[in-house]
Amino acid sequence: GAGVSQSPRYKVAKRGQDVALRCDPISGHVSLFWYQQALGQGPEFLTYFQNEAQLDKSGLPSDRFFAERPEGSVSTLKIQRTQQEDSAVYLCASSLAPGGYTEAFFGQGTRLTVV
Amino acid sequence: AQKVTQAQTEISVVEKEDVTLDCVYETRDTTYYLFWYKQPPSGELVFLIRRNSFDEQNEISGRYSWNFQKSTSSFNFTITASQVVDSAVYFCALSENKWEAAGNKLTFGGGTRVLVKP
Repeated sequence: GAGVSQSPRYKVAKRGQDVALRCDPISGHVSLFWYQQALGQGPEFLTYFQNEAQLDKSGLPSDRFFAERPEGSVSTLKIQRTQQEDSAVYLCASSLAPGGYTEAFFGQGTRLTVV
Repeated sequence: AQKVTQAQTEISVVEKEDVTLDCVYETRDTTYYLFWYKQPPSGELVFLIRRNSFDEQNEISGRYSWNFQKSTSSFNFTITASQVVDSAVYFCALSENKWEAAGNKLTFGGGTRVLVKP
């Protein structure tokens, strides 16, 4: 597609439910990032993939958060046993190559509300 | 650790006024990149500019201009003759220049909401 696509756009989950958020990056982009954006705040880094390899997961807040990118393209962020503090917008970004000089393109995000 | 501070949480102006958004950053790296992103109500972050730490030239793009001052660790953004369509949240961000594990993950400031009234 032309840009980074995320689905669903909105998700309401009951506390304790598992959720899966999908990201389709721009075709051919090597790098893929997940960010979490709480209401009224800036995005915060969660995890980074270079192709299918998860090279940095230092931002994942707990072991309930899990991300994968098995074929080096589509990525899924899974949250197990959701809690209210998980409510946020989850943003996916991709860039053509690693390195700070390359622009990251962001999707519109998935707004997760845990009730 | 890296840190980006945007002290202004919200700025309200009348159309055609100029507005300057402040950004101050902290990093131990000698090589790094600074970015500005715009986040309209639709939610996606739209890239505006990238600047590397070795290039302190100011830049102008249409009504947008950026002032990078390494001595004060600031990277300020000015919108000249603001328009209603400029209403959005603007984020300043910092990334290290790593080629390996960290990729180019971004550290964002808290954002500044700009409201341009007609």
